Amino acid sequence: DADVTQTPRNRITKTGKRIMLECSQTKGHDRMYWYRQDPGLGLRLIYYSFDVKDINKGEISDGYSVSRQAQAKFSLSLESAIPNQTALYFCATSDFGQNQPQHFGDGTRLSIL
Amino acid sequence: ILNVEQSPQSLHVQEGDSTNFTCSFPSSNFYALHWYRWETAKSPEALFVMTLNGDEKKKGRISATLNTKEGYSYLYIKGSQPEDSATYLCAFGRDDNQGGKLIFGQGTELSVKP
Repeated sequence: DADVTQTPRNRITKTGKRIMLECSQTKGHDRMYWYRQDPGLGLRLIYYSFDVKDINKGEISDGYSVSRQAQAKFSLSLESAIPNQTALYFCATSDFGQNQPQHFGDGTRLSIL
Repeated sequence: ILNVEQSPQSLHVQEGDSTNFTCSFPSSNFYALHWYRWETAKSPEALFVMTLNGDEKKKGRISATLNTKEGYSYLYIKGSQPEDSATYLCAFGRDDNQGGKLIFGQGTELSVKP
């Protein structure tokens, strides 16, 4: 079983729909992250959470919201999806500190028509 | 805005060639530099995390060096094999009391032909 699991793996939906991407982890890490990847760009941070009561905006949080339901679960929502949110989304986890590697899920490919 | 730049954007080599690519990052407030390997249809996997100026890390045929004073890291692959084909990402961790937050470069896409 994967240590970091993302659901769904693929999703096609229409403009204006509400979408939730879910991430769960069995690594016991406090820190969790949501990134999006677009062709030609690096991974860009959407939101991150350092523990259950902590939520922080990343560099591209507009149009997204998150919920940290438990240490193991971190979900990303698009309240009203728009086509330029079509991208590959990754969830990641890590231990404390920038010297700890991040562990990624397999990604969710989201297409908004 | 902090920029992390990787060069080249893509690289095509023959099996057996040795290759290297560069990650440039801000030289101030350095905390850590990460390298990740990302194969198509898979998730990025950590290769190295380096924290000290002059650090050198090695894993099999892949090695990395770090110069924090001038803000660059090199990743080397000796005797490239087709299975080395992947996108290699670097990421910069800044010493700003936001431990764990990384800024990623756009990646170097390596293709190794048999």
